Amino acid sequence: DAKTTQPPSMDCAEGRAANLPCNHSTISGNEYVYWYRQIHSQGPQYIIHGLKNNETNEMASLIITEDRKSSTLILPHATLRDTAVYYCIFHTGGFKTIFGAGTRLFVKA
Amino acid sequence: GAVVSQHPSWVICKSGTSVKIECRSLDFQATTMFWYRQFPKQSLMLMATSNEGSKATYEQGVEKDKFLINHASLTLSTLTVTSAHPEDSSFYICSARDRPIHQPYEQYFGPGTRLTVT
Repeated sequence: DAKTTQPPSMDCAEGRAANLPCNHSTISGNEYVYWYRQIHSQGPQYIIHGLKNNETNEMASLIITEDRKSSTLILPHATLRDTAVYYCIFHTGGFKTIFGAGTRLFVKA
Repeated sequence: GAVVSQHPSWVICKSGTSVKIECRSLDFQATTMFWYRQFPKQSLMLMATSNEGSKATYEQGVEKDKFLINHASLTLSTLTVTSAHPEDSSFYICSARDRPIHQPYEQYFGPGTRLTVT
């Protein structure tokens, strides 16, 4: 199973950038990194994905290191509604999506 | 993005009865669907993967005779919890994918079904 390592929890002040790190040292060259988040009692929500280059969409930015062993999800201006558990995942071989423990982000006013 | 619905959103059943949860992809064809369960303050645990028209592939430790999965069409998968017990109480989430072969995968999650067995 694909393994990622994320800090269990992080705090962020409202309006500031939230930077969520993820280690994925066993990722292979053609595997994408995906980020999802889960707000309490809801299904996971897709945020962003990337392969080698940094990516940005309306929700977040994804910075992937050159060796691809780690990445950082950036929420540029965190709001209270961004409080959620954030999951970084990748697929090994087959296409099962296996979730790790994720990072519980608390955005504080 | 694409929408995945689940029905019911919550259900309470008595111990020993069976309950069926439906998962539908509303605006795309889901060749592969996944079922997860989630206990409070824990991550999602993959239960099984199903491809349309094929038998589901269950993860290790998941009883296939207890958690019956049917993926009869490209837009519908069902999970039936048979002879439910209180320890089956959990949050069940389905997910659907429309391009199973090549990455990047577009995978969409349903809102979840809260099952309480009394």
